[in-house]
Amino acid sequence: QSVLTQPPSASGTPGQRVTISCFGSNSNIGNNDLYWYQHLPGAAPKLLIYKSYYRPSGVPDRFSGSKSGTSGSLAISGLRSDDEADYYCATWDDDTLGGVFGTGTKVTVL
Amino acid sequence: QVQVVESGGGVVHPGGSLRLSCEVSGFKFNSYGMHWVRQAPGKGLDWVAFIRYDGSKEFYADSVKGRFTISRDNSKNTLSLQMNNLTTEDTAIYYCAKIFDTFCASTSCHDRDYWGQGTLVTVSS
Repeated sequence: QSVLTQPPSASGTPGQRVTISCFGSNSNIGNNDLYWYQHLPGAAPKLLIYKSYYRPSGVPDRFSGSKSGTSGSLAISGLRSDDEADYYCATWDDDTLGGVFGTGTKVTVL
Repeated sequence: QVQVVESGGGVVHPGGSLRLSCEVSGFKFNSYGMHWVRQAPGKGLDWVAFIRYDGSKEFYADSVKGRFTISRDNSKNTLSLQMNNLTTEDTAIYYCAKIFDTFCASTSCHDRDYWGQGTLVTVSS
């Protein structure tokens, strides 16, 4: 059972903004950087946000990340049909001494 | 061009063993920590294990500790996962991945990720 909690689903119409939250604790998000991944069916996950706020080269600026205390969020603005995917937050946990992924959020474009 | 190719998956009986391998090319394998991540059918991503860039330290999820062993051969650009005493709960697609590295300060440890396409492990009687 993951220690990072995400809403199971989120949705919006094309062009809208969707925000996904990720709740953790002091030992994980509170003390370490947060990462966000997009996972399309049948494909390998893809990094969207690293070190809580930064976009890798090639990731559109429609994707943005933030972190405050023991929680973080991923925002997708200008929602597009090809944004339909599962999204995961991830970080390191200093108590368990291991990585941890969030429970995952399925984004649907209506 | 980066390539990450897992192999070794298959069907195994409960209590059995399997060894996964991951061959990497196109990036400096010996500079980065590497992970195994899995996804059970219909479930989310599940972190399994991490090994530091030089193989000096390994970390495991509680669910696999004592049963799985991660290792690497930097001379062959290869990552491995020895899985013993498998249970049906271990059924999943297993990904080899260069993702976050909490022990590395270099930006390149964080601003790019490389994943394989995954190898399916099925534990069934």
